[in-house]
Amino acid sequence: NAGVTQTPKFQVLKTGQSMTLQCAQDMNHEYMSWYRQDPGMGLRLIHYSVGAGITDQGEVPNGYNVSRSTTEDFPLRLLSAAPSQTSVYFCASSREGRGTEAFFGQGTRLTVV
Amino acid sequence: DAKTTQPTSMDCAEGRAANLPCNHSTISGNEYVYWYRQIHSQGPQYIIHGLKNNETNEMASLIITEDRKSSTLILPHATLRDTAVYYCIVRPLSSGSARQLTFGSGTQLTVLP
Repeated sequence: NAGVTQTPKFQVLKTGQSMTLQCAQDMNHEYMSWYRQDPGMGLRLIHYSVGAGITDQGEVPNGYNVSRSTTEDFPLRLLSAAPSQTSVYFCASSREGRGTEAFFGQGTRLTVV
Repeated sequence: DAKTTQPTSMDCAEGRAANLPCNHSTISGNEYVYWYRQIHSQGPQYIIHGLKNNETNEMASLIITEDRKSSTLILPHATLRDTAVYYCIVRPLSSGSARQLTFGSGTQLTVLP
């Protein structure tokens, strides 16, 4: 049971480059989200999705795009990387319903130089 | 979502119970209390959640006061592997878990040998 899988685990980008962080879950969960975590801080919500074809913005969406073409996958795109986007990125999923737990991936450590 | 207040750090001797407090005095009637932990900057891990009754699972116990304004997470026999940042989160019943987790700074629990 793989759970939530994020790739890559580490990435270094130059300012202005674009890239996609991958997230896949094999639990048939409806809800998926992306968070970022800066050093010494809690996680902040970037974007989320309540199902295939439906996405919405979280607390810190600027500079990021998402799409949800399938239930399993929820990629996060950095359009033009900036040093302020240096962070650890976590993807999470959960099933629909009240009181359900979220499952997190192991994170992608992104450095923008 | 209701705001939570947790101590910044706590120590606990290995083998003893770890009691982690959380204040959520502005919690509303439709909000659950969730606990997650994060070990070594890995992805957060769900521990337990509750509404108003005390809850217990294989990892921990959750004690919620009668007025629901505070709660305590209890790890009955802490081990070195329980060293982590523990997050207390309150969130409404009506949404998928992955969408609306608001992480504060949490409590750094250090289990001492």
